[in-house]
Amino acid sequence: KNEVEQSPQNLTAQEGEFITINCSYSVGISALHWLQQHPGGGIVSLFMLSSGKKKHGRLIATINIQEKHSSLHITASHPRDSAVYICAVRLRGGSNYKLTFGKGTLLTVNP
Amino acid sequence: DTGVSQDPRHKITKRGQNVTFRCDPISEHNRLYWYRQTLGQGPEFLTYFQNEAQLEKSRLLSDRFSAERPKGSFSTLEIQRTEQGDSAMYLCASSPRGLAGGNEQFFGPGTRLTVL
Repeated sequence: KNEVEQSPQNLTAQEGEFITINCSYSVGISALHWLQQHPGGGIVSLFMLSSGKKKHGRLIATINIQEKHSSLHITASHPRDSAVYICAVRLRGGSNYKLTFGKGTLLTVNP
Repeated sequence: DTGVSQDPRHKITKRGQNVTFRCDPISEHNRLYWYRQTLGQGPEFLTYFQNEAQLEKSRLLSDRFSAERPKGSFSTLEIQRTEQGDSAMYLCASSPRGLAGGNEQFFGPGTRLTVL
């Protein structure tokens, strides 16, 4: 079983819809990251959070440490939001800062 | 452009050849990471440097793989005697001197390796 599980694997939405992508993890973490990857490979960091909720524009990320669960929400989705969204965690403890990634959620927003 | 850069962006090679990739991190970042991503999967950790010291290597990094960061700035990843299974996107990331919980990582555009 992967340490980081995302759902759904694929998501298709109509422009304007509210979108939720979920991430569950099975280990103790010090931080959770949400990343966006466009075709061609480039990865952009969207959020890093260890508790509560963060908002940036139309994007909202929440985390529940007790339930080991995080969600990424996109309000008023737009075709330019189409990308792969990846959840990654930094494990608690140790002296390194590597990330452990989920497989990603492919989001397609149709006009 | 002051982001993380990687060179080359694409590399096609024949099985058995050696390849070397370069990563230039953001200049003030002392931490540098290499990840590998195969099609349909999330990235997987390969190795991590703090300044010039290689502090961790994944078991994915067989003895055909070697990484260096000689002056604590740019890094190279070399694959010797490439195999078709090495075909992947090789991603580099960097982060600044850390908070206890770690910092955001900034990713380069990746080097896509195809081994024929």
